[in-house]
Amino acid sequence: QKEVEQNSGPLSVPEGAIASLNCTYSDRGSQSFFWYRQYSGKSPELIMSIYSNGDKEDGRFTAQLNKASQYVSLLIRDSQPSDSATYLCAVTPDTDKLIFGTGTRLQVFP
Amino acid sequence: EAGVAQSPRYKIIEKRQSVAFWCNPISGHATLYWYQQILGQGPKLLIQFQNNGVVDDSQLPKDRFSAERLKGVDSTLKIQPAKLEDSAVYLCASSLGGEYNEQFFGPGTRLTVL
Repeated sequence: QKEVEQNSGPLSVPEGAIASLNCTYSDRGSQSFFWYRQYSGKSPELIMSIYSNGDKEDGRFTAQLNKASQYVSLLIRDSQPSDSATYLCAVTPDTDKLIFGTGTRLQVFP
Repeated sequence: EAGVAQSPRYKIIEKRQSVAFWCNPISGHATLYWYQQILGQGPKLLIQFQNNGVVDDSQLPKDRFSAERLKGVDSTLKIQPAKLEDSAVYLCASSLGGEYNEQFFGPGTRLTVL
């Protein structure tokens, strides 16, 4: 069973802090990794993709991938109340197929 | 660039009734996916199309669910007959396909089965 594991949260951080979201996956052959943001009542929105070990930065977001340890993380710098949402980790164990975690709920308080 | 379109946005039906959802992917995206998302869970893939052919339908409950993608563009997902446990959000996504597989989601259809 190919799985993606996330802490369901909620993760509560003050405004301006760094939020750190983590994800582990079971299939060592996984090649592509994605973070989606999902606001309540809305559909998932792709915010980051990462394909090789290391860090990838995009604005306030940094994705980190460690294939040897089978984890991928998302850092959100200078967190804002508008970042409050559920963050879904998704992994491609096979070409084109995505396996999603259950998501981590992030709350940023003023 | 227009995103993935879905309709209807909401649907309420009685159990044992039938329902159909429609999806129009991003222009040029060959791969189309239907997901089911139950409250508090991540999306679960139901079926994947590459152009108008089925790539993966291993998680589609084929006794009640069916899907088609005629002409390799629009797609419909049908449930007949519906059960209470089918209450969920049905998400359509599309991608260019291939190695990097970034998928983009439509707004979803929220189905309530009473």
